[in-house]
Amino acid sequence: IAGITQAPTSQILAAGRRMTLRCTQDMRHNAMYWYRQDLGLGLRLIHYSNTAGTTGKGEVPDGYSVSRANTDDFPLTLASAVPSQTSVYFCASSRGTSGTEGNEQFFGPGTRLTVL
Amino acid sequence: AQKVTQAQTEISVVEKEDVTLDCVYETRDTTYYLFWYKQPPSGELVFLIRRNSFDEQNEISGRYSWNFQKSTSSFNFTITASQVVDSAVYFCALGFNAGNNRKLIWGLGTSLAVNP
Repeated sequence: IAGITQAPTSQILAAGRRMTLRCTQDMRHNAMYWYRQDLGLGLRLIHYSNTAGTTGKGEVPDGYSVSRANTDDFPLTLASAVPSQTSVYFCASSRGTSGTEGNEQFFGPGTRLTVL
Repeated sequence: AQKVTQAQTEISVVEKEDVTLDCVYETRDTTYYLFWYKQPPSGELVFLIRRNSFDEQNEISGRYSWNFQKSTSSFNFTITASQVVDSAVYFCALGFNAGNNRKLIWGLGTSLAVNP
């Protein structure tokens, strides 16, 4: 069982280019999340999806878009990358979106993105 | 407002010392969840524990123990007889329900260095 996979592992990108970060989970979790991690700012939520077919904005959604066509995949797209989007991006998933169980989020290995 | 404070930015100990990582949270919700995650130098985020607000029972898992005190809004993490492999950044997080959404508020992390 792989859990959550992310691709690519790292990427250097020219400003203005379009980029899609891929995320796939095999745990049949309902909810998925995208975070960025920056030194001194901790983890910040970009977008989330409570279930396939739905998405929502997190704390820092500008410049990013997501889709959730099925349970397993949750790609994050930067339509026109800017240097301030240089960061480490983590995808996560959790089992439930209601009740008291399944709250914990499980993370992928991360994608290190550099925008020049 | 929901908030998580990890006042210790960096801690350095010598192997075999006990070390406690502090986490203080703020919330007005009566139902919430508290988490600890570990981020070793390799970069992945590893889930350690979840505690529900209605369960103040402390938890011990090997050398790790957690002390949940609602009276002081704290969820502290103690590593007994620390080892070099415990060197990592540790994050505390607060989870709560906001309508149909699950929100997770992260602390900024405590960087623990265990020296041989």
